[in-house]
Amino acid sequence: KNEVEQSPQNLTAQEGEFITINCSYSVGISALHWLQQHPGGGIVSLFMLSSGKKKHGRLIATINIQEKHSSLHITASHPRDSAVYICAVLPDSNYQLIWGAGTKLIIKP
Amino acid sequence: ETGVTQTPRHLVMGMTNKKSLKCEQHLGHNAMYWYKQSAKKPLELMFVYNFKEQTENNSVPSRFSPECPNSSHLFLHLHTLQPEDSALYLCASSRGLAGEETQYFGPGTRLLVL
Repeated sequence: KNEVEQSPQNLTAQEGEFITINCSYSVGISALHWLQQHPGGGIVSLFMLSSGKKKHGRLIATINIQEKHSSLHITASHPRDSAVYICAVLPDSNYQLIWGAGTKLIIKP
Repeated sequence: ETGVTQTPRHLVMGMTNKKSLKCEQHLGHNAMYWYKQSAKKPLELMFVYNFKEQTENNSVPSRFSPECPNSSHLFLHLHTLQPEDSALYLCASSRGLAGEETQYFGPGTRLLVL
């Protein structure tokens, strides 16, 4: 069992819908990253969180350290949001990230 | 455009071939990484270099050989690969080695081993 679990694995939604992607982890962490990978491979960092909530445009990321859980929300989703969203955590004791397997999101027009 | 480039973007090779993947970053970063991404699996960290020195080799088979001649360039030399090595190979860089640093990824090299 991976130390970082993402759900759902796949998500298809209609344009305009509110999207939530979840990340649960089993280790103590000092930070959590959300990244986006578009078809073709390139990965872009979206957020780094250690507590609370961050917002960038239509993207919102939250983290609950006590519950070992983070969510990525997309408001007013658009087909260009279609991508794989990856969660990665930084354990307390190591500089190496532990990666989730990703959530594949498809937004239909 | 993330400031990290990788060549080639696609590579098909036989199991007896020798090839090299190249990564270059124009960000002035000190740390560089090689990752392997297989379908539906988490990214696997292969190698880490910090200031040109290798700091991690995560039990990677010797048929993968990294080289970091300077902080801007990273190579992955491939020889006698196996079909299960087919994957997307991603290079990344960061300002420092700390996990809080944002990693900037290249577009990847999609490798097919026949």
